Amino acid sequence: EVQLVESGGGLVQPGRSLKLSCAASGFTFSNYYMAWVRQAPKKGLEWVATISTSGSRTYYPDSVKGRFTISRDNAKSSLYLQMNSLKSEDTATYYCARHWIGGFDYWGQGVMVTVSS
Amino acid sequence: DVVMTQTPVSLSVSLGGQVSISCRSSQSLVHNNGNTYLSWYLQKPGQSPQLLIYKVSNRFSGISDRFSGSGSGTDFTLKISRVEPDDLGVYYCGQGTQYPNTFGAGTKLELK
Repeated sequence: EVQLVESGGGLVQPGRSLKLSCAASGFTFSNYYMAWVRQAPKKGLEWVATISTSGSRTYYPDSVKGRFTISRDNAKSSLYLQMNSLKSEDTATYYCARHWIGGFDYWGQGVMVTVSS
Repeated sequence: DVVMTQTPVSLSVSLGGQVSISCRSSQSLVHNNGNTYLSWYLQKPGQSPQLLIYKVSNRFSGISDRFSGSGSGTDFTLKISRVEPDDLGVYYCGQGTQYPNTFGAGTKLELK
């Protein structure tokens, strides 16, 4: 059974940093692109980042480019999202997801990030 | 960026009924490789989104044949037949043809 379990969320002040983690199991992690997708409170879905199988290629929307960094450790079957210079508009539930055939086939339960002073 | 426009914003349906949700993209979703990467997701209340349909019309593993996807180019439709209580929630379309990947704003399916 595919499982994705996020951790690392919490309350953080504007301008500070936070690192999210996602532990994957139930599939060969190194064979799949992985992604982060977020959802602001009562809002829709926003893709945040994608990383290739080896980690050599990463993709971001303009809204987070230069502030967020996605990375992975295939030996640990783990995905990460380093978030710097956080803004109030980054407040959201962050989902770890497996990026597959142009979509996201498995999602974690999500972790809440609140950016507020 | 590709803008995904979903209609309607909300739908009321009777159990056992049929509904259709439309999704239009601001650009063609046909990739250079010939595939069209349009997916549909359902987010049930209090849950994470789940994949229903990928590449326009392919049902994901375990998804009922009551769900069907169709369309091409910029116009796509999700049809749900014989609606059940477990189908209620917010439906999103999403495109993976080009970066940034983008989603529609969602369609809320409620009971009449």
